[in-house]
Amino acid sequence: DAGVTQSPTHLIKTRGQQVTLRCSPKSGHDTVSWYQQALGQGPQFIFQYYEEEERQRGNFPDRFSGHQFPNYSSELNVNALLLGDSALYLCASSLEQAAGGPEQFFGPGTRLTVL
Amino acid sequence: AQRVTQPEKLLSVFKGAPVELKCNYSYSGSPELFWYVQYSRQRLQLLLRHISRESIKGFTADLNKGETSFHLKKPFAQEEDSAMYYCALGMKTSYDKVIFGPGTSLSVIP
Repeated sequence: DAGVTQSPTHLIKTRGQQVTLRCSPKSGHDTVSWYQQALGQGPQFIFQYYEEEERQRGNFPDRFSGHQFPNYSSELNVNALLLGDSALYLCASSLEQAAGGPEQFFGPGTRLTVL
Repeated sequence: AQRVTQPEKLLSVFKGAPVELKCNYSYSGSPELFWYVQYSRQRLQLLLRHISRESIKGFTADLNKGETSFHLKKPFAQEEDSAMYYCALGMKTSYDKVIFGPGTSLSVIP
């Protein structure tokens, strides 16, 4: 099991463009969460997907949207990119209602640079 | 509002010295607390969780609901402990939403 995988590794976009980031969860996991980690800060929760629906959302504008597919993989879309969207985007997968609480397994992240 | 604070952005200790990374949280419900660690050039990974009450790599953390704290401790720091440490709050009533603190960078001086 490769664990959580994300693509691409790095991405450079210009302001106003749109971007799609992809995530494949750890085998057996059904829940995917997305985080934004700006330089020098902790991960900030964007939203979480379960059963192909968004069920939790952090304090992010509607420019941030996502999708979960039947195979549990997920996409994060960001429209109308701003300079401030430059960050490391982390995907984490977990198992719904796992005993002991939501242990999240993280991917390596996608580094997005907006110029 | 739910929040996690880690007052120290940087913490340096000598090898063999005790280390304590502080974490405080605010949450009105029943919290689930975690410590995640990120070593250089590696992905974020779970170090320990309060519910398991186990010691991982010599680290322990006790949940103090009265002080709303979940400090991470190790009696004798090792050089390989140098990493970024994040305290995280899980909220089961919010469909497993997890909130991370800003992190503490631990540097163990040989």
